[in-house]
Amino acid sequence: EIVMTQSPATLSVSPGERATLLCRASQSVSSNSAWYQQKPGQAPRLLIYSASTRATGIPARFSGSGSGTEFTLTISSLQSEDFAVYYCQQYNNWPLTFGQGTKVEIK
Amino acid sequence: QVQLVESGGGLVEPGGSLRLSCAASGFRFSDYSMSWIRQAPGKGLEWVSSMSSGESTKHYGDSVKGRFTISRDNAKNSLYLQMNSLRAEDTAVYFCARGQYYFEYWGQGNLVIVSS
Repeated sequence: EIVMTQSPATLSVSPGERATLLCRASQSVSSNSAWYQQKPGQAPRLLIYSASTRATGIPARFSGSGSGTEFTLTISSLQSEDFAVYYCQQYNNWPLTFGQGTKVEIK
Repeated sequence: QVQLVESGGGLVEPGGSLRLSCAASGFRFSDYSMSWIRQAPGKGLEWVSSMSSGESTKHYGDSVKGRFTISRDNAKNSLYLQMNSLRAEDTAVYFCARGQYYFEYWGQGNLVIVSS
């Protein structure tokens, strides 16, 4: 099974600042990765797929990059509604696997 | 708009069975692969199972293989998860989602508690 490791576990950021979240795969997943946002009590929301393609309706301040084993989610200027937990996921191999999550909190 | 609504969760004793349902609307259900993902209380996301639109392909996570069965009824726009031999570690919110690889739309989730 491919292990997805996210860092940091918690990221403290002030509103308006840039946030950079990292995800590392234990082996290459090509560009077959996705990012999700989850707020308390809600279902996850797809942000990015194919490593860098924004999902429908996702604001341009969210961007994804990377391939192989290293992936990055960047939020260019954090808004109040962006404070949440973010998960990466690989779909290159079965079983599909998620990272453990990065919590983005208000500094 | 796309809607996915799970039902069938609740409290069940270890070793028991439960069947989750997911009612889909707002899209042509028969055209899409569907999946189940779960989240234990206070924990991260765990993929459970996926199946193709034509029902020909099914995949399961190692932790549920041999105990859970995914199925669908395209005429009823519904996805199912039959869960047998339930264990305490199966306690989680179960989400149905559209997609087989990444998950574009999610239901609100349904809580399953396995406890005596």
